[in-house]
Amino acid sequence: SQTIHQWPATLVQPVGSPLSLECTVEGTSNPNLYWYRQAAGRGLQLLFYSVGIGQISSEVPQNLSASRPQDRQFILSSKKLLLSDSGFYLCASAGGNYGYTFGSGTRLTVV
Amino acid sequence: QKEVEQDPGPLSVPEGAIVSLNCTYSNSAFQYFMWYRQYSRKGPELLMYTYSSGNKEDGRFTAQVDKSSKYISLFIRDSQPSDSATYLCAMINTGGFKTIFGAGTRLFVKA
Repeated sequence: SQTIHQWPATLVQPVGSPLSLECTVEGTSNPNLYWYRQAAGRGLQLLFYSVGIGQISSEVPQNLSASRPQDRQFILSSKKLLLSDSGFYLCASAGGNYGYTFGSGTRLTVV
Repeated sequence: QKEVEQDPGPLSVPEGAIVSLNCTYSNSAFQYFMWYRQYSRKGPELLMYTYSSGNKEDGRFTAQVDKSSKYISLFIRDSQPSDSATYLCAMINTGGFKTIFGAGTRLFVKA
């Protein structure tokens, strides 16, 4: 079975600072990978997905970017954080049955 | 109109009650239907997975899909305080890369 490692668990960053969140996957190869953001009391908003190394699709124009430098590594970045970037960020990997395995998430607070 | 509609609750029930959680959707192309459970400050975990219409049972949990009505349900029998969590429905069409999630229903089971 797959395991998603995501860190850090909690992050407090000032407005205008850079961001780098990393996600690594174990137990599978060439997975489809996803970054979601979950605002309090709201559903999961798909930010980016990747079907392979260097292949990134963006779902929502915003202050964030994603990269996939290795098969099982997915990185979410920002050059300058905004207050509106606060939220719970989740990395996910698609399994063979269309279900996802999620990481434990990063709670980002921009102050 | 959202592709997937889910009542956010909260839903509060006594221990031992039967819980019914529901979602409606608008895209008739959806073929795979999932339910995820998310505990506070954790990533969602896949709970149930069904393909097309019908019922699927796993222990105290039953997932039901009615494609003619575009309506899916999750039933929890003999609910326990440990079932207290947010339940998200999710669905995807065959060959799709992007799962669409409901907003999640927050469930509280009181001892």
